[in-house]
Amino acid sequence: DVKVTQSSRYLVKRTGEKVFLECVQDMDHENMFWYRQDPGLGLRLIYFSYDVKMKEKGDIPEGYSVSREKKERFSLILESASTNQTSMYLCASSYGWGSTGELFFGEGSRLTVL
Amino acid sequence: ELKVEQNPLFLSMQEGKNYTIYCNYSTTSDRLYWYRQDPGKSLESLFVLLSNGAVKQEGRLMASLDTKARLSTLHITAAVHDLSATYFCAVDMGGSEKLVFGKGTKLTVNP
Repeated sequence: DVKVTQSSRYLVKRTGEKVFLECVQDMDHENMFWYRQDPGLGLRLIYFSYDVKMKEKGDIPEGYSVSREKKERFSLILESASTNQTSMYLCASSYGWGSTGELFFGEGSRLTVL
Repeated sequence: ELKVEQNPLFLSMQEGKNYTIYCNYSTTSDRLYWYRQDPGKSLESLFVLLSNGAVKQEGRLMASLDTKARLSTLHITAAVHDLSATYFCAVDMGGSEKLVFGKGTKLTVNP
């Protein structure tokens, strides 16, 4: 089975803190993604990566950055957390070019910024 | 810009009844996905539809894709309480392997 693991299920941070959300997949997937999920808004793409050290902006990248130093790991960074970044963050991965494009999701990280 | 619309957004139905959730999208794509999310949980893949006319079935759920109409349906047959969840459709953005999600349909099946 594909396993996508997010390091923290629940986090509480203060405004202005730097926040790291870590995601690891164990299936040698090429593609990795970070989405945020908010009530009434569905899932929105923050950043994605098709390869190591490669990143591309999604629909809502402002206030976020990412890092992909190894194929299996994709980190989401909030440089200076703000209350409007309180949300559920979902990491996903997929096999890559030539595959079905199906996404496999981690369990999610619920972040509260006070 | 690709837009994905699901309706209804909320659906309350009785056990044993049939119903259909609709997913419309705005630009050409022939890859569509359905996911299920239970409260407090992540998304679980249900169906992957990769061509016009594709139909997949699993238990009481059946999904289909009409790429010409830019429409997918998720049909529920003889609903049971265990099907209560939020269902999302997602569309591949022009073969980019980025998925754009609908807002989800929250299904409640009442005894």
